[in-house]
Amino acid sequence: SQTIHQWPATLVQPVGSPLSLECTVEGTSNPNLYWYRQAAGRGLQLLFYSVGIGQISSEVPQNLSASRPQDRQFILSSKKLLLSDSGFYLCAWTGFLDYGYTFGSGTRLTVV
Amino acid sequence: QQQVKQSPQSLIVQKGGISIINCAYENTAFDYFPWYQQFPGKGPALLIAIRPDVSEKKEGRFTISFNKSAKQFSLHIMDSQPGDSATYFCAAKGGSNYKLTFGKGTLLTVNP
Repeated sequence: SQTIHQWPATLVQPVGSPLSLECTVEGTSNPNLYWYRQAAGRGLQLLFYSVGIGQISSEVPQNLSASRPQDRQFILSSKKLLLSDSGFYLCAWTGFLDYGYTFGSGTRLTVV
Repeated sequence: QQQVKQSPQSLIVQKGGISIINCAYENTAFDYFPWYQQFPGKGPALLIAIRPDVSEKKEGRFTISFNKSAKQFSLHIMDSQPGDSATYFCAAKGGSNYKLTFGKGTLLTVNP
């Protein structure tokens, strides 16, 4: 069966520090991968998505970047965190012919 | 055209009552309409989904009603329970688009 792993679960980082969040999917190949952010309130903001290794589409210009170095690995990064980067970060995946997303358990990032 | 409008923002229901959340869309290319349930601190989980070739889909206490001509769909939770208290998101996807378009979410509170 397919599973999605996201870590760390919580992170407290000072302003100006770098960031690396990792997401991996098991039990499938060539998944579509997504990074979402959920700030205060409840909305889901799509940050990046990838349909293949090295293929990254950015939805919102900001202080973050994404990379997909391997088929089932998706990384969210920042060189210098801002206070506004605080939020709940969610990774999701879907198969080639699937429609629904499966979300990871999320990372709660607090920038102080 | 890519928006999905969800209402209400928040909903309080007594135990045993019916919870109703509504969504409307504009893009006629959408052909998949899922609902996600999210508990605090967790990632959203797929609850139930429908395609436009049927007007209703029921899974246990959860029912999606779909009105293609009105471009509206709704989630009904029958016999609502305190354990149903969560945030609910509607979403839509279709065509060659890899992305789900989410509504802004509804915070449901079921009082005992």
